[in-house]
Amino acid sequence: QAVVTQEPSLTVSPGGTVTLTCGSNTGAVTSGHYPYWFQQKPGQAPRTLIYDTSNKHSWTPARFSGSLLGGKATLTLSGAQPEDEAEYYCLLSYNGVCVFGGGTKLTVL
Amino acid sequence: DVQLLESGGGLVQPGGSLRLSCAASGFTFSSYAMTWVRQAPGKGLEWVSTISGGSTYYADSVKGRFTISRDNSKNTLYLQMNSLRAEDTAVYHCVKGGWGTPFDYWGQGTLVTVSS
Repeated sequence: QAVVTQEPSLTVSPGGTVTLTCGSNTGAVTSGHYPYWFQQKPGQAPRTLIYDTSNKHSWTPARFSGSLLGGKATLTLSGAQPEDEAEYYCLLSYNGVCVFGGGTKLTVL
Repeated sequence: DVQLLESGGGLVQPGGSLRLSCAASGFTFSSYAMTWVRQAPGKGLEWVSTISGGSTYYADSVKGRFTISRDNSKNTLYLQMNSLRAEDTAVYHCVKGGWGTPFDYWGQGTLVTVSS
């Protein structure tokens, strides 16, 4: 089964910019993996931020953006806010199977 | 407003069975793929299963033991879980979307504990 990799933890300063990445052990991540990004805060259900690489839902703050870069899917947070401190998960699709990454704990400090 | 309300979780012995339900409202249920995602205590997210049209998809970890189904007349998604193991202990979330329709809304989840 495919393994999806994320940074275990990252720290960003308030107002700063940070990029989270999502890689695959099968090779480069492409739009055909339909990359997703989810945000989860302690004690809450996850929330979908980005779908199909870069598409946002109506509730996704404009400071979040998704793309592909260097063979990975990326989530960029520009202008971090204290409320962005959370766990972030990516999800990739592989021919009828979905695999989550292990998550990135983002600290805003 | 879209609402997804899971139920059916609880304590079950290893080898036992449980059926989870997800009552959906606020959207045309029959038009969307639906998915189950679980999260073991203190762990990350794990995709479990998706139903899309007449097709079903499963993670290797549950294939042959779990069955996803839906009743569009009742706007309800199900997950029949058999031969349960300790490693199936998790909060099970119902998610709107899957193949062909983007994941968007999540339910709050129902806790399944497999223990003797």
